[in-house]
Order: sequence, then C-alpha cells, then structure tokens
Amino acid sequence: SQTIHQWPATLVQPVGSPLSLECTVEGTSNPNLYWYRQAAGRGLQLLFYSVGIGQISSEVPQNLSASRPQDRQFILSSKKLLLSDSGFYLCAWSEVASGGYGTQYFGPGTRLLVL
Amino acid sequence: AQSVTQPDIHITVSEGASLELRCNYSYGATPYLFWYVQSPGQGLQLLLKYFSGDTLVQGIKGFEAEFKRSQSSFNLRKPSVHWSDAAEYFCAAHGWGAQKLVFGQGTRLTINP
Repeated sequence: SQTIHQWPATLVQPVGSPLSLECTVEGTSNPNLYWYRQAAGRGLQLLFYSVGIGQISSEVPQNLSASRPQDRQFILSSKKLLLSDSGFYLCAWSEVASGGYGTQYFGPGTRLLVL
Repeated sequence: AQSVTQPDIHITVSEGASLELRCNYSYGATPYLFWYVQSPGQGLQLLLKYFSGDTLVQGIKGFEAEFKRSQSSFNLRKPSVHWSDAAEYFCAAHGWGAQKLVFGQGTRLTINP
C-alpha cells in the first residue's frame, strides 16, 4: 500500500531564515505530487504541483519554491521566510490515471510558525 | 470560472442527530467530486468520491453523498453523528483532464454531547 511522509511535523523559524520541508511517497511510481498551504482558519491553497522529476508548476507567486529531485520526493523551500509564510503545509500525491484524474491522498502535514 | 462552494462555514449538531453538509459546484461539465475530512492538526482523509454511475456514493465512517446534476450539488450525509465526527469537512472537484483539485472553503462541524 502507498504511504506519504512529511517532515518535520512542526517547525518554528525566525523571519528571514531558510526553509526546507520534505515529502516522500512510498509504494507507487511516477506519482503526481502537490504542495498546499492552509492558513489558520482558512481553506487550502495549492502552491506547486509536479507531474515528474524536475517538472514543477507554480500556482502563486511568492518567496517559496519547490523541487522534485527524485521520483517520489518533493521539497518545498524558501531562502528567506516571511511572517506570512506561517501555516500548515500539506503534501499530496495522486496516481496518473489514464484519460482522467487520480484521487489525491494527503500527508500528515507540517505546521510552520515564523516568528 | 470553476468553483466549489460550501455555504455553511460552521454547523453544530447533537450527538446521534443526522447530518447534511452542503456542497455546490460550478463547472461546464460534471466534474469528479470528493469529500475530505480533517481533524485538528492532521492531514486530509478521503471520505468518498464520485466519478460516474450510481449517484449515491458510500464512503468510510458511515458517510454517504448524493450527486444531483440538476442542482449541481454533492451533499454529504450521515444518519447519526458521533462525537468523533467533529472535524473540518472539505468538498473538492476536479475537471476531466485537469491537474488540480478545486476545494471549497470547508465546513467546521461541532458535536454537542
């Protein structure tokens, strides 16, 4: 069966510091991968998605970036964190379904607090 | 523009009572439809999904949802809620061939003992 891991679970970082959040998926090959952010009391905002190694699509302009160095690894980064980057970051994966859409499955999330 | 609307931000029901959470979508063609649940501090768990076929979909934890094309709705129901059902519920949709899910804003469910 497939599992998705995110770490760290919780992170407290000062403003201006760098960020690296990691997401890995087990039990599947060539998944689509997604990064979402959920601000306190708000819905989900898609940040990035990837359909393959090195292929990243950005949904919103911001100081965050994403990379996919390996098939089942997705990394969210920032060179300098802003207060507004605080939130709950969720990684998700889906299979690539022929002719349609693969259901998205979510990881446990990383709570980021920027002070 | 494609959108998903959950009209109720917060719903409170008593334990043992029935539940219906509303979801409406706006798409040119019928999208794929999903309901997810999120407990505090946790990721999203898939409750159920509708791709085609039978319009009444059964999910996990005793939930079901009914797709109504004429109303562009996909409401989530449960005949008798338990205290453990207290959580945030998200409806989502995906157009055919698209890469992205569109989420509603979520409905927070509180259960009174």
